[in-house]
Amino acid sequence: GAGVSQSPSNKVTEKGKDVELRCDPISGHTALYWYRQSLGQGLEFLIYFQGNSAPDKSGLPSDRFSAERTGGSVSTLTIQRTQQEDSAVYLCASSLVAANTGELFFGEGSRLTVL
Amino acid sequence: QKEVEQDPGPLSVPEGAIVSLNCTYSNSAFQYFMWYRQYSRKGPELLMYTYSSGNKEDGRFTAQVDKSSKYISLFIRDSQPSDSATYLCAMSWGEDDKIIFGKGTRLHILP
Repeated sequence: GAGVSQSPSNKVTEKGKDVELRCDPISGHTALYWYRQSLGQGLEFLIYFQGNSAPDKSGLPSDRFSAERTGGSVSTLTIQRTQQEDSAVYLCASSLVAANTGELFFGEGSRLTVL
Repeated sequence: QKEVEQDPGPLSVPEGAIVSLNCTYSNSAFQYFMWYRQYSRKGPELLMYTYSSGNKEDGRFTAQVDKSSKYISLFIRDSQPSDSATYLCAMSWGEDDKIIFGKGTRLHILP
């Protein structure tokens, strides 16, 4: 399809394990965002990429979280030593250029459950 | 105080009613205002986008921005059961590309 693709759609892991979440943006979209959505919470900004650079990493909750983007396309969000409070839906979005016009295209998310 | 405040609901209204959804914000530097709709277990999708103050209409949807009051609204006319979803307001400064979302309001349209 032509939309934003995220994998895995569901992930159950044990506390202390590392997880990798993948985002494949819409072809040609230069901006890529990661958000986290917990039950009853809004979308919490995590990190934003313009090309392969991350101008704003301010939303990453701790140094256990990291993200990279290669080739201006696919991005991976890595959570090390997962904790139960990391359980949430992790949403990826992409935008053609700068996203301040509001046109973010979201994937369906990766639902992470940490036991 | 959070940057963007939005009542989480749920809000239940009968089919055909006019729905009013609102957000307040604290940062007067916000210039771009959006409304997203999110169905259960799906990603949000952009509904409306407004720059600065004023109204914007698209079919049954009207977005209003009052920058002097730091208040934005989304109105849905002739509401349908298919409008049942979570509605998230969002806003940005425009100087960078960070978009701040509200918590979302869950809306139920009763047939």
